[in-house]
Amino acid sequence: AQRVTQPEKLLSVFKGAPVELKCNYSYSGSPELFWYVQYSRQRLQLLLRHISRESIKGFTADLNKGETSFHLKKPFAQEEDSAMYYCALQPGTSYGKLTFGQGTILTVHP
Amino acid sequence: KAGVTQTPRYLIKTRGQQVTLSCSPISGHRSVSWYQQTPGQGLQFLFEYFSETQRNKGNFPGRFSGRQFSNSRSEMNVSTLELGDSALYLCASSLATGGPGTQYFGPGTRLLVL
Repeated sequence: AQRVTQPEKLLSVFKGAPVELKCNYSYSGSPELFWYVQYSRQRLQLLLRHISRESIKGFTADLNKGETSFHLKKPFAQEEDSAMYYCALQPGTSYGKLTFGQGTILTVHP
Repeated sequence: KAGVTQTPRYLIKTRGQQVTLSCSPISGHRSVSWYQQTPGQGLQFLFEYFSETQRNKGNFPGRFSGRQFSNSRSEMNVSTLELGDSALYLCASSLATGGPGTQYFGPGTRLLVL
């Protein structure tokens, strides 16, 4: 069975500071990993997935298979980054089933 | 393209009743997944349908069921409602071709069981 852990329930930073949201996973196979974001009063939306190797809104995430981590990083946080962030795993052989972490509420102070 | 839509957006039911929620996927998407979101348990996978067939199922009791129609629209049904079924129910659609695809979420249906 797979599991996703986001150790920080709450994370506060000041505008312009670097931010890192941690995500650790356990899964024996090759997973697909995602970061989803939910802004206030908006639906859950994809931020990025590891296979794309993209930088979205300044965020990046690197899959570290040795440490089984997929931390989300941004060098300079903005107030509009304040939101709930979910790390999610999809087994490579199991379509349509995402396992989510508990989420991290990021607050960026002015 | 229009996003994933869910109806109704809000529902109030009493214990013992049953409820049906509807989800219309993004045009061209053939996979629909359902999730339950609660403050205590977070986001939990219910089931996934593709081409009218259930391909995956989470750890929920048999009171939770679903189906998918030929136009990829999906419904989920909860029978004999319990207080603990109060939650936000999300559906997500994906292309699901050539491997696990990105899931796009609807706004959810908020169910309150009294």
